[in-house]
Amino acid sequence: GAVVSQHPSWVICKSGTSVKIECRSLDFQATTMFWYRQFPKQSLMLMATSNEGSKATYEQGVEKDKFLINHASLTLSTLTVTSAHPEDSSFYICSEGASGSDTQYFGPGTRLTVL
Amino acid sequence: QKEVEQDPGPLSVPEGAIVSLNCTYSNSAFQYFMWYRQYSRKGPELLMYTYSSGNKEDGRFTAQVDKSSKYISLFIRDSQPSDSATYLCAMSGGSGGSNYKLTFGKGTLLTVNP
Repeated sequence: GAVVSQHPSWVICKSGTSVKIECRSLDFQATTMFWYRQFPKQSLMLMATSNEGSKATYEQGVEKDKFLINHASLTLSTLTVTSAHPEDSSFYICSEGASGSDTQYFGPGTRLTVL
Repeated sequence: QKEVEQDPGPLSVPEGAIVSLNCTYSNSAFQYFMWYRQYSRKGPELLMYTYSSGNKEDGRFTAQVDKSSKYISLFIRDSQPSDSATYLCAMSGGSGGSNYKLTFGKGTLLTVNP
């Protein structure tokens, strides 16, 4: 399967600051990447679909101005949490869609803690 | 009714037991069915991927899909402590493209006791 990396794996920031999370496809050119958020003991919640070279498609209820997604190349998508607040503390996971199937390969996740 | 229902458990079994994990769904358009394993504080790892109805076996893991009953299963034979994780079912109704959303179950927390 595809290999996806995320950086950083864990970040702590102060309320009001912005945090950027990188998602890289290491062995595959991913036209489409997905960003999820997962709260403790809950399933994954899709935040947005990121397409290379175009604007991301956000799920209902996800603020596009707060969660900025950039997919400038086939191997890199970034999620920036702007003006982070404690309620944004969560586990953020990206994935890439596998060509020719509907499955997705996930990154290791980034744990964000906002103080 | 949620699109995908999965018993969250927790499920605790002794080492060597056969484990059965299940999901039901309501959307008849789903055609692709997946099982992911997620260890604590890690991203989900793809275990099994099945298209339409039928069985698929990979080592100790067997995935079954019954589209007529809208029911999918994952069986783990000879379970090991290293199998202790949360197991998520996922499905989609796309046509094989890479940009279709997955619908996840809530996940079942499995503990295999040595």
